[in-house]
Amino acid sequence: SQTIHQWPATLVQPVGSPLSLECTVEGTSNPNLYWYRQAAGRGLQLLFYSVGIGQISSEVPQNLSASRPQDRQFILSSKKLLLSDSGFYLCAWSRQGGNTGELFFGEGSRLTVL
Amino acid sequence: SQQGEEDPQALSIQEGENATMNCSYKTSINNLQWYRQNSGRGLVHLILIRSNEREKHSGRLRVTLDTSKKSSSLLITASRAADTASYFCAMNYGGSQGNLIFGKGTKLSVKP
Repeated sequence: SQTIHQWPATLVQPVGSPLSLECTVEGTSNPNLYWYRQAAGRGLQLLFYSVGIGQISSEVPQNLSASRPQDRQFILSSKKLLLSDSGFYLCAWSRQGGNTGELFFGEGSRLTVL
Repeated sequence: SQQGEEDPQALSIQEGENATMNCSYKTSINNLQWYRQNSGRGLVHLILIRSNEREKHSGRLRVTLDTSKKSSSLLITASRAADTASYFCAMNYGGSQGNLIFGKGTKLSVKP
């Protein structure tokens, strides 16, 4: 069966510090990978998606970047965090080639920037 | 914006009652999906309904889709306290990545 792991679960970072959130998927090959952000009481905003190693598409201009160094690894990064980067970050995957778009989510990473 | 809108934003009911949540969207879809999110957790896929389907059931869940009105509803029958969560609709507008656009969610509270 497929599993998705996301870490760290919680972190508190000062403004201007770097960020690295990591996500790995097991039990499937060549998944589509996604990073979403969820502000308090809001829906999910798609930040990045990837259809393959080294292929990253950005949905919104921002202070964040994403990388996919391996087939089942997706990393969200920032060189210098802003207060507005605080939020709940969710990694997700979907099956490559399928058009249903059904997503499987990790447990999320709550980021607080002070 | 292609974002969907759910209503109500919050719903509080007693155990055993039915809960109905609605979702509206703006342009044609391939399919519409409903997800559940327990507080502070990731989202879990509940049910998918395709654009050529009008109704779908899964256990105590019933989803309807009206493409002429661009709306969908999620009905949870005989609710339980464990159903307390936020529920999101998500629209698949197609495209090679099949990206989903999520609504803002309905926060359901089921009181024992």
